Amino acid sequence: DQQVKQNSPSLSVQEGRISILNCDYTNSMFDYFLWYKKYPAEGPTFLISISSIKDKNEDGRFTVFLNKSAKHLSLHIVPSQPGDSAVYFCAASAETGNQFYFGTGTSLTVIP
Amino acid sequence: KAGVTQTPRYLIKTRGQQVTLSCSPISGHRSVSWYQQTPGQGLQFLFEYFSETQRNKGNFPGRFSGRQFSNSRSEMNVSTLELGDSALYLCASSFLQGRGGETQYFGPGTRLLVL
Repeated sequence: DQQVKQNSPSLSVQEGRISILNCDYTNSMFDYFLWYKKYPAEGPTFLISISSIKDKNEDGRFTVFLNKSAKHLSLHIVPSQPGDSAVYFCAASAETGNQFYFGTGTSLTVIP
Repeated sequence: KAGVTQTPRYLIKTRGQQVTLSCSPISGHRSVSWYQQTPGQGLQFLFEYFSETQRNKGNFPGRFSGRQFSNSRSEMNVSTLELGDSALYLCASSFLQGRGGETQYFGPGTRLLVL
């Protein structure tokens, strides 16, 4: 079963505007969440993470928000740049586990 | 610090053959995980090794196997290749794997094409 879900396979945004990528999870034991960015034919690159003790983490243009009650997290990119065009994966892990669970990815296209 | 390396980067095989892929984790990392990515799919977890022991396995047939050596390097083997095995195979390493807010770092992947 898919414990981490990204329901939007694709997203298009104008350069300079905000990109919002969403992710839902089902396992209440997850306590650490990550976002990865992936270009074609390359491995995913770690972008930003958040612990369940926080509800927001910011790094430059990237901010991740966590809503534990809704089991939902989102990645905000402001302002969006053409170089941000890639597939974004969210992932989750649990303190007591030994596996990362990934969503199916959202392909972001930033239009110049 | 050098990143995760994977060899080879590209591979072409025919149905029925077997293949071995190699992964060298970041220095000091003891956990190595393998994932399969096919077009339109997310990252499908294959297995995870820690200190030469397979701790976790995804839902893949027994044709997919792996091992880890004492220096944490890992190999993945696929026997009796099928067309559907064509994919990008990704290796990722972390210190402990999925605990205490750890981050997993990925290699560039091996692109396998089965003809």
